[in-house]
Amino acid sequence: DAGITQSPRHKVTETGTPVTLRCHQTENHRYMYWYRQDPGHGLRLIHYSYGVKDTDKGEVSDGYSVSRSKTEDFLLTLESATSSQTSVYFCAITSHGLAGVYEQYFGPGTRLTVT
Amino acid sequence: AQSVTQPDIHITVSEGASLELRCNYSYGATPYLFWYVQSPGQGLQLLLKYFSGDTLVQGIKGFEAEFKRSQSSFNLRKPSVHWSDAAEYFCAVGANTGNQFYFGTGTSLTVIP
Repeated sequence: DAGITQSPRHKVTETGTPVTLRCHQTENHRYMYWYRQDPGHGLRLIHYSYGVKDTDKGEVSDGYSVSRSKTEDFLLTLESATSSQTSVYFCAITSHGLAGVYEQYFGPGTRLTVT
Repeated sequence: AQSVTQPDIHITVSEGASLELRCNYSYGATPYLFWYVQSPGQGLQLLLKYFSGDTLVQGIKGFEAEFKRSQSSFNLRKPSVHWSDAAEYFCAVGANTGNQFYFGTGTSLTVIP
């Protein structure tokens, strides 16, 4: 358990509405990530952050924005939700584990349905 | 380009039988390799990892994996599968800079009595 929580855990929203998902970590990790998980696609990186106010795009960033104003919080925003953004969203952190190996740990996920 | 391939989308095994899940990777440098397991409705849990040294690594829940550089593979094995092993399994490769991870599309495991 890397002290990662996500909120909300489930959300149903309508097309065109803005949605913000929150990831919170308690262990001061530098790197944080947002992935989406869809059948047949595995995990795809949306955005990641390497520090406060430092973020970068992943492979499926269109339609998403992120913000990180504090080390512990990483927010994912869908400015205008579309049905194609119905997915399970996972937050992750990278921890510098034993022997210097970076390991990635995941939050419990947020299931988002856009109707 | 970095990539991970899990050629088996779905595997069914009998309880007590052995298991091998395949993973092939493409990575320009020395890879850090990982296997994760995801139970239904849950997040991903790290099963085991390889970064150097002994190419046969042991993980949690009785799993092991073998790194074969010549084949660019990191296959996951378990000698005797339990019904509770039914889950989705993901292979991943990571950069030693800690900021990039690449995941396969997953293998779904069904265990039959």
